[in-house]
Amino acid sequence: DAGVIQSPRHEVTEMGQEVTLRCKPISGHNSLFWYRQTMMRGLELLIYFNNNVPIDDSGMPEDRFSAKMPNASFSTLKIQPSEPRDSAVYFCASSLWETQYFGPGTRLLVL
Amino acid sequence: GENVEQHPSTLSVQEGDSAVIKCTYSDSASNYFPWYKQELGKRPQLIIDIRSNVGEKKDQRIAVTLNKTAKHFSLHITETQPEDSAVYFCAAQNQGAQKLVFGQGTRLTINP
Repeated sequence: DAGVIQSPRHEVTEMGQEVTLRCKPISGHNSLFWYRQTMMRGLELLIYFNNNVPIDDSGMPEDRFSAKMPNASFSTLKIQPSEPRDSAVYFCASSLWETQYFGPGTRLLVL
Repeated sequence: GENVEQHPSTLSVQEGDSAVIKCTYSDSASNYFPWYKQELGKRPQLIIDIRSNVGEKKDQRIAVTLNKTAKHFSLHITETQPEDSAVYFCAAQNQGAQKLVFGQGTRLTINP
C-alpha cells in the first residue's frame, strides 16, 4: 500500500499566484482531511470530506481557499490568490474508520 | 465544539527515564483518543490510541490511560530512548463529528 500521496512536496511561489495542492488517499478509505500546520497555530483542520462530499469546511480561513474531491481517489486544495501568511505545511489525511493516516505533506512558501 | 489542552509544551528527560504527557478534553461525547508522533520534517504518525470503553492500553514501552470522568488522558513512555525525541500530539474525536481535534503538541527531548 502506497499510503497517502501528496504533490508537490515543496512549493515556492510569489504572492498573488494561484497554488494547487493535490492528494491521493489510501485506496478504500472514505474520508479525507486537509490540515495546515504552522508553529504558531499548530495542526489545524481546514476541511474534510466523507464519500467525496464536503462535510465541514469551518476551518477554511477565507474565500481564497477552496477544496474539491471529484472522485474517491483525488482531492485538491487551492489557494487563490496566495499570501505570505499562507506559508505552512499542508497535510492530507485519509481514514476508513477513526484512524487517520497522514500524507508526507506539502511545504508551501509564499514570498 | 471540542477543545483539547495538552501539557507540557516541552519536556526534557534523561535517557532511560519515563515521560508523561497529559491532555484534557471538553466534549463528554468524545470517544476516540489517538496519539501521534511527529519527527522533524516528517508526517504525524499514529503510535497508540484508546477508545472510551477502555481505561488503559499498553504497547511495549508506550501506554495510554483515560479518565472519562475527569475528561483527561495521558501518554506514558517508559525506558526512553534517543529515538523517542519528537513532537507528540494528542487528539480527541466525537464519532458523530468524525473529525479529530488536536492538542498543541509536546516537544519531547531525550538527553543521552
